Amino acid sequence: DIQMTQSPSSLSASVGDRVTITCRASQSISSYLNWYQQKPGKAPKLLIYAASSLQSGVPSRFSGSGSGTDFTLTISSLQPEDFATYYCQQSYSTLYSFGQGTKLEIK
Amino acid sequence: EVQLVESGGGLIQPGGSLRLSCAASGFTVSSNYMSWVRQAPGKGLEWVSVIYSGGSTYYADSVKGRFTISRDNSKNTLYLQMNSLRAEDTAVYYCASLIVGATSFSWFDPWGQGTLVTVSS
Repeated sequence: DIQMTQSPSSLSASVGDRVTITCRASQSISSYLNWYQQKPGKAPKLLIYAASSLQSGVPSRFSGSGSGTDFTLTISSLQPEDFATYYCQQSYSTLYSFGQGTKLEIK
Repeated sequence: EVQLVESGGGLIQPGGSLRLSCAASGFTVSSNYMSWVRQAPGKGLEWVSVIYSGGSTYYADSVKGRFTISRDNSKNTLYLQMNSLRAEDTAVYYCASLIVGATSFSWFDPWGQGTLVTVSS
């Protein structure tokens, strides 16, 4: 099974900050990597698919990069509505798996 | 508009069974890949199962042999039959469509609102 590890597990930042979240796969997954945002009590929402493609309707301040085993999600200028938990997810294997999540909190 | 609505959650004793449903509107369940993902209280997301349009199914090791994913094409509904339930199965269960892009990359979108399953005596 492919293990996904995110870092950090939690992060405090301020509005306007640039933030980067890292996701590492236990084996190469090419660009089969997606990013989701989840707010309390809500279903996850797709942000980035195929490592770097922005989902329709998602603000351009969100971007993704990477391939192989190392990936990043970057928020260029944090907005109040961006404080949430972020998950990476691999779709290289039919045993789909998620990272443990990164909780982004207001400093 | 594509919409997924889960139902069937509730309180169940350890060892019991429960069937979750996910009613779809705006698209055809049988023509798409569909999946279940769960989230234990205060924890992260855990993929549970997937059914492909051709009927192939796959399960996480944690539920293999106990859970069964299926669909009813006439009702445009996805199901998750859960048997031999354990306390650690307590979670919000989401259904999600697994979209496959032109280049074979895939992602979960959209998601339902989730249904809570509590396994406790």
